[in-house]
Amino acid sequence: DAKTTQPNSMESNEEEPVHLPCNHSTISGTDYIHWYRQLPSQGPEYVIHGLTSNVNNRMASLAIAEDRKSSTLILHRATLRDAAVYYCILRLGGWGGADGLTFGKGTHLIIQP
Amino acid sequence: SQTIHQWPATLVQPVGSPLSLECTVEGTSNPNLYWYRQAAGRGLQLLFYSVGIGQISSEVPQNLSASRPQDRQFILSSKKLLLSDSGFYLCAWSEGGGKDIQYFGAGTRLSVL
Repeated sequence: DAKTTQPNSMESNEEEPVHLPCNHSTISGTDYIHWYRQLPSQGPEYVIHGLTSNVNNRMASLAIAEDRKSSTLILHRATLRDAAVYYCILRLGGWGGADGLTFGKGTHLIIQP
Repeated sequence: SQTIHQWPATLVQPVGSPLSLECTVEGTSNPNLYWYRQAAGRGLQLLFYSVGIGQISSEVPQNLSASRPQDRQFILSSKKLLLSDSGFYLCAWSEGGGKDIQYFGAGTRLSVL
């Protein structure tokens, strides 16, 4: 998996939007951008993924730069339950991947009440 | 719907004792299965993955082994635990040949004393 770079930590206030950046300057044309998050003392949880176009689901939105060298995970209205470590991971292809995920250090998101 | 079960939730074992952690998946067939470990203060590391019964791929040489005796059962074992085996062990699954999304169990926190 190609390398990603994320800030070590970010802080935001409850009920405000949060923009979590990820740089992946060596991304290849067939790499999908995946986001997972890990709440304290729990296993990681899939959040969202995309290839080129922006993506929305019930948890978050993913904005992908036109050159695909960076992306941003957007939490539209953060709650205290969104406090977690967020991981940006590149995956070759979108289907049938059997190999494991390569987790970096991720971004520790702190939500202030 | 699919569910993943992992037990026990916590385990305290003496150095030199054996280990057996079990993971089962319900509601799907022929899943890809994974074991990860998260040592204290470190990131998630893939240990083993399996694409079918009896098929195990090892990512990191260690004091551990994995087995897949049934389609939806994945077992992590050790004959003699070391202090360095302490950590948070996570089992995960993904659709075999399907969407490249991994779903994680709740994890087992192992302390080797």
